[in-house]
Amino acid sequence: QSVLTQPPSASGTPGQRVTISCSGSSSNIGSNYVYWYQQLPGTAPKLLIYRNNQRPSGVPDRFSGSKSGTSASLAISGLRSEDEADYYCAAWDDSLRGVVFGGGTKLTVL
Amino acid sequence: QVQLQESGPGLVKPSDTLSLTCAVSGYSISSSNWWGWIRQPPGKGLEWIGYIYYSGSIYYNPSLKSRVTMSVDTSKNQFSLKLSSVTAVDTAVYYCARSESGSPRDAFDIWGQGTMVTVSS
Repeated sequence: QSVLTQPPSASGTPGQRVTISCSGSSSNIGSNYVYWYQQLPGTAPKLLIYRNNQRPSGVPDRFSGSKSGTSASLAISGLRSEDEADYYCAAWDDSLRGVVFGGGTKLTVL
Repeated sequence: QVQLQESGPGLVKPSDTLSLTCAVSGYSISSSNWWGWIRQPPGKGLEWIGYIYYSGSIYYNPSLKSRVTMSVDTSKNQFSLKLSSVTAVDTAVYYCARSESGSPRDAFDIWGQGTMVTVSS
């Protein structure tokens, strides 16, 4: 059971906009930055969003992050086949004094 | 270009100690970043193992704390993980990663490619 809660799956057709939610608590999302990672099949995770809504250099602006209270969301607009991957949210947890991850969301592009 | 590379045995016997090293290239491990280990059991999600700073400050996952030891070797520009008394549930891909800043609260911005470790007799 992950500390952060994500839906196990999400799907969309090319060109659509999809969102992936991440729910936590006051000790993690509620008081710390949220991060999102993309993991393509057979590869290491890649940082997609940092500090709630910032994109590292090279990440398309089709990807955006937001946070409100103890929840966060990742939005992907203009969905493309190469976006098919697992997506993980993460945050520091003040109570556990460590990093907590969501269980991951498998995105399927139909 | 900053690169991280994990190395260590791919097969460990139950009750033994798993030992991995992460070699850092293109960047000084003594810079203001935290260095972490994350693992991923086959077909499952990511689990944070711990973080270490070059000075020796450490955070461990409470669920693994009794079995984990992390260390830094600044002369070799690498850091290491030891996990004792392993069982089959410790079978996973183990990743090393760098925090994007001097705070352990920040994201992992650079990851190693990962190394598969199987616990089996």
